[in-house]
Amino acid sequence: DVKVTQSSRYLVKRTGEKVFLECVQDMDHENMFWYRQDPGLGLRLIYFSYDVKMKEKGDIPEGYSVSREKKERFSLILESASTNQTSMYLCASSFRGPGELFFGEGSRLTVL
Amino acid sequence: GQQLNQSPQSMFIQEGEDVSMNCTSSSIFNTWLWYKQDPGEGPVLLIALYKAGELTSNGRLTAQFGITRKDSFLNISASIPSDVGIYFCAGRGGSNYKLTFGKGTLLTVNP
Repeated sequence: DVKVTQSSRYLVKRTGEKVFLECVQDMDHENMFWYRQDPGLGLRLIYFSYDVKMKEKGDIPEGYSVSREKKERFSLILESASTNQTSMYLCASSFRGPGELFFGEGSRLTVL
Repeated sequence: GQQLNQSPQSMFIQEGEDVSMNCTSSSIFNTWLWYKQDPGEGPVLLIALYKAGELTSNGRLTAQFGITRKDSFLNISASIPSDVGIYFCAGRGGSNYKLTFGKGTLLTVNP
């Protein structure tokens, strides 16, 4: 079975803190993605990566950065967390090409 | 950009009833995916469709890729309480990487 693991299920941070969300997949997928999910807005793509050290902006990249130093790991970074970044963050991965996207269990971030 | 309309937004049904939901797109897709999300969890893939007209089943679930390539539907037969959750459609057009997601259908099943 494909396994996408997100490091933290629940985090509480203060405004201005730097936040790291880690994601690891064990299926040798080329593509990895970070989404945020908010009520009424659905899933919105923040960043994605189609290879090691490669990244592309999604639909809402402002306030976020990413890092992909190894194929299996994709990190989402909030340089200075703000309250409007309180959300559910979902990592996903897929093979290159028109394949299925597999999601992790999600990380619920609260910024106070 | 590509837009997906998913309907209905929510459904309240009795256990044993059949359920139908659908997604329509403003542009042509070459892949349709259906996901289910339980509260507090990540979405889980239910069915993947890759060809116009394709009809695929997964247990009590059946999904179809519309002939126009701009729509897809998901049917659940004989619903049970554990079918409760949010169902998302997702489509992929020209890009190999990015999926467009519907806003989801919240399903409640009364025992």
